Amino acid sequence: AQSVTQLGSHVSVSEGALVLLRCNYSSSVPPYLFWYVQYPNQGLQLLLKYTSAATLVKGINGFEAEFKKSETSFHLTKPSAHMSDAAEYFCAVGTGGGNKLTFGTGTQLKVEL
Amino acid sequence: NAGVTQTPKFQVLKTGQSMTLQCAQDMNHEYMSWYRQDPGMGLRLIHYSVGAGITDQGEVPNGYNVSRSTTEDFPLRLLSAAPSQTSVYFCASSYSFGGSYEQYFGPGTRLTVT
Repeated sequence: AQSVTQLGSHVSVSEGALVLLRCNYSSSVPPYLFWYVQYPNQGLQLLLKYTSAATLVKGINGFEAEFKKSETSFHLTKPSAHMSDAAEYFCAVGTGGGNKLTFGTGTQLKVEL
Repeated sequence: NAGVTQTPKFQVLKTGQSMTLQCAQDMNHEYMSWYRQDPGMGLRLIHYSVGAGITDQGEVPNGYNVSRSTTEDFPLRLLSAAPSQTSVYFCASSYSFGGSYEQYFGPGTRLTVT
């Protein structure tokens, strides 16, 4: 069985500051890992995914995540936050190549001036 | 391409009523799924389908029914609505890319059961 833990349901950063959203996973098999972003009243959009090709994964909008097997982590980072990054972010672990997703509870990112 | 479309966007039901949430995709994806999103709980998988005529249960299937007669459509039926089914429902479709799947989500249906 898979599970995902996202530490911090709300994260607040200043514009231009580093964004760090934490995700730890539990999986009995090598995982497929994903980060999704959800803007208000919209569906989820894929930010990036890890599929064992490279431990550092670059995604859209300047986000990246690093897979650390020893720490069972897949934290999401962005060097410099922008106001448009304010949204809810979900980490997910997938089985069947990522077909069946188990989501974390989400982290609401607030970006302040 | 319209991507994944869902109708209706909003719906209010009374307890005991039934209804169907529609989901369609025009990307010829073989895999489709339904999730519900509740505050503080993330998204949970209700049912999924790996192709026309093939469906299976996810994490929270009770009270919901699905069928997949075509590649494009994957409706979700609420048999007898209950207040606990008040939620936002997302449909997703996916395809294999580089050995893994990428899921595309619809805009969601916000359902309230009174």
